[in-house]
Amino acid sequence: AQSVTQLGSHVSVSEGALVLLRCNYSSSVPPYLFWYVQYPNQGLQLLLKYTSAATLVKGINGFEAEFKKSETSFHLTKPSAHMSDAAEYFCAVTFSGGYNKLIFGAGTRLAVHP
Amino acid sequence: GAGVSQSPSNKVTEKGKDVELRCDPISGHTALYWYRQSLGQGLEFLIYFQGNSAPDKSGLPSDRFSAERTGGSVSTLTIQRTQQEDSAVYLCASRYDSGPLSEQFFGPGTRLTVL
Repeated sequence: AQSVTQLGSHVSVSEGALVLLRCNYSSSVPPYLFWYVQYPNQGLQLLLKYTSAATLVKGINGFEAEFKKSETSFHLTKPSAHMSDAAEYFCAVTFSGGYNKLIFGAGTRLAVHP
Repeated sequence: GAGVSQSPSNKVTEKGKDVELRCDPISGHTALYWYRQSLGQGLEFLIYFQGNSAPDKSGLPSDRFSAERTGGSVSTLTIQRTQQEDSAVYLCASRYDSGPLSEQFFGPGTRLTVL
C-alpha cells in the first residue's frame, strides 16, 4: 500500500529564510511524487512532480524537491521565503496501475512572517 | 482556456436531505477524479472516471454516495440522506490522459455544510 507522511502540520519561517517542508512516502512499487499548494479558498495547484527522470526536481515559484530513495523522502525546499508563499502544502504519491489516484499527506501549513 | 469548474461553490443543507455536486472538467480531459477534504480525514480519494465509466469507486465512504459522468464530460456527485460527517470540501480534478505523468487539474471545490 502507498502512503505519505508530512512531518509538521505547521511551519513558520521569516521572510527570506529557507523553507523546508518534509515528506516521507511508503510504496511497494516505484512511486510518482507530487507537491501541491493550496492558497486560501482556492483549489490545489501543482508545484512540481517526480517521475523518475531526475532526482532533483524544480518547480514553480522557486521551489524544488529532491527524491531520495534510500530515505524514502521527497522534501520541498525554497532558499528564500516570500510572504506570498504562505499557504498549505500537500505531498502526494501515485503509481502506475492504480488509476493514478493521488494519495495525499495531511498537509503542512506554511506561515511567513516579516 | 477555462479550468475545472464546480458548482455550487457553497452548499448548506439539513441533515437527511440529498445534495448534488457538479463538476465541469477541462474540455478533452478523459480522466476525472473526485476527492474530499475534511478536517478529520485530510484529502482523500473518492472515485475515478475514465470516460463515462468508473473503474475505481473504492473511496466512496458509504452507499449514500454515488457519482455519474455523462458524455465523457460533466460529472455529478450525489450524497443521499446527508449526515453531519459529510461536511467537507469536495474537490474535482481532471486529467488529459490516464498516465501518471499528466497533471491533475483541480477545481475550486464545493464546500458542503450539513446542519
